[in-house]
Amino acid sequence: SQTIHQWPATLVQPVGSPLSLECTVEGTSNPNLYWYRQAAGRGLQLLFYSVGIGQISSEVPQNLSASRPQDRQFILSSKKLLLSDSGFYLCAWSHGQGYEQYFGPGTRLTVT
Amino acid sequence: QQQVKQSPQSLIVQKGGISIINCAYENTAFDYFPWYQQFPGKGPALLIAIRPDVSEKKEGRFTISFNKSAKQFSLHIMDSQPGDSATYFCAVFSGGGQNFVFGPGTRLSVLP
Repeated sequence: SQTIHQWPATLVQPVGSPLSLECTVEGTSNPNLYWYRQAAGRGLQLLFYSVGIGQISSEVPQNLSASRPQDRQFILSSKKLLLSDSGFYLCAWSHGQGYEQYFGPGTRLTVT
Repeated sequence: QQQVKQSPQSLIVQKGGISIINCAYENTAFDYFPWYQQFPGKGPALLIAIRPDVSEKKEGRFTISFNKSAKQFSLHIMDSQPGDSATYFCAVFSGGGQNFVFGPGTRLSVLP
């Protein structure tokens, strides 16, 4: 069976500090991978998606970036965090030709 | 940008009652219509989904009703339970999953 992991689960970072969130998927190959951000009580904002290693599409211009160094690894990064980067970050995967998206447990980021 | 309208924004139902959440979309090209359930602090999970070739799909207490001509679909939760208290997101997909839009979410509270 497939599983998706995200870490860390929670993170408190000062403004201006760097960020690295990691997501890995097990039990499947060549998945589509997604990063979402969810503000408190709000909907899902798609940030990045990837259909293969090194292939990243950005949906929202911001100070965040994403990378996919391996088939089942997706990393969300920032060089300098802003207060507005606080939120609940969710990674998701889907089969290459599948509609269903499977979400990870999320990372709660608080920028102070 | 494609929009998906979801209503109501929040819903309070007594235990044993019926919860109804509605979703409306614009583009007739969408061909997969899921509902996701998200508990606080967790990632969303696929609850139930429907294709446009059927008008209704039932899984246990959860039913999707689909009206293709009106470009609307709804989630019905029968015999609502306090454990159903969560945020529910509708979504629309097309292109084998490459094109999708999530609704803004509905917060459901089921009172004991």
